Amino acid sequence: QVQLVQSGAEVKKPGSSVKVSCKASGGTFNTYTISWVRQAPGQGLEWMGRIIPIFRTVDYAQKFQARVTITADESTSTAYMELSSLRPEDTAVYYCARDMGGGNPWWGWFDPWGQGTRVTVSS
Amino acid sequence: DIVMTQSPDSLAVSLGERATINCKSSQTVLYNSNSKNYLAWYQQKPGQPPKLLIYWASTRESGVPDRFSGGGSGTDFTLTISALQAEDVAVYYCQQYFTSFSFGPGTKVHVK
Repeated sequence: QVQLVQSGAEVKKPGSSVKVSCKASGGTFNTYTISWVRQAPGQGLEWMGRIIPIFRTVDYAQKFQARVTITADESTSTAYMELSSLRPEDTAVYYCARDMGGGNPWWGWFDPWGQGTRVTVSS
Repeated sequence: DIVMTQSPDSLAVSLGERATINCKSSQTVLYNSNSKNYLAWYQQKPGQPPKLLIYWASTRESGVPDRFSGGGSGTDFTLTISALQAEDVAVYYCQQYFTSFSFGPGTKVHVK
């Protein structure tokens, strides 16, 4: 059974960057697709992007294309999401999730999810 | 981009009664070649990550109680809780995965 464990909470200054990790266990990492979703306080879910390690492919939501970088380290079964040029409105909980797409179907549902990482951006 | 909407925003239901949540997509999420609707439903309780309930619009995830059911096709979908239990109090989101991903704004279900 796949489990995703994320890194701990972060507090960042505006203009800086944050890198959140997501370590997978219980399966073959390079066959997974890992998506990143964020949730601002009291708000809904917003997809940011994903990585398909087996195809060395990343997809980014247009909104985040210029600021987000998603990578994966197969040797440690860990995916990373780095968001740069942080602003206060990036304050949110950031989730990784196994994306059941990346093959057939190309886009899929998300299961399971990591526990979430709270990122606070404040001066 | 496919825009997802949900109704109502909030729903108060008595314990044991039926709850129905509606989800609408701005364009079809039905892929004609395989007759599958690329739509999922999630449940999120406070302080927890979302939990998958249903995918392909009507396929219940393993372990999800059978009081949860999904229906609809094309652009209009429903999530039904046949008899609300106290542990079902949560926010429910629909998600399309037909083209990229987008989520509905959520429907908060609480006990009347």
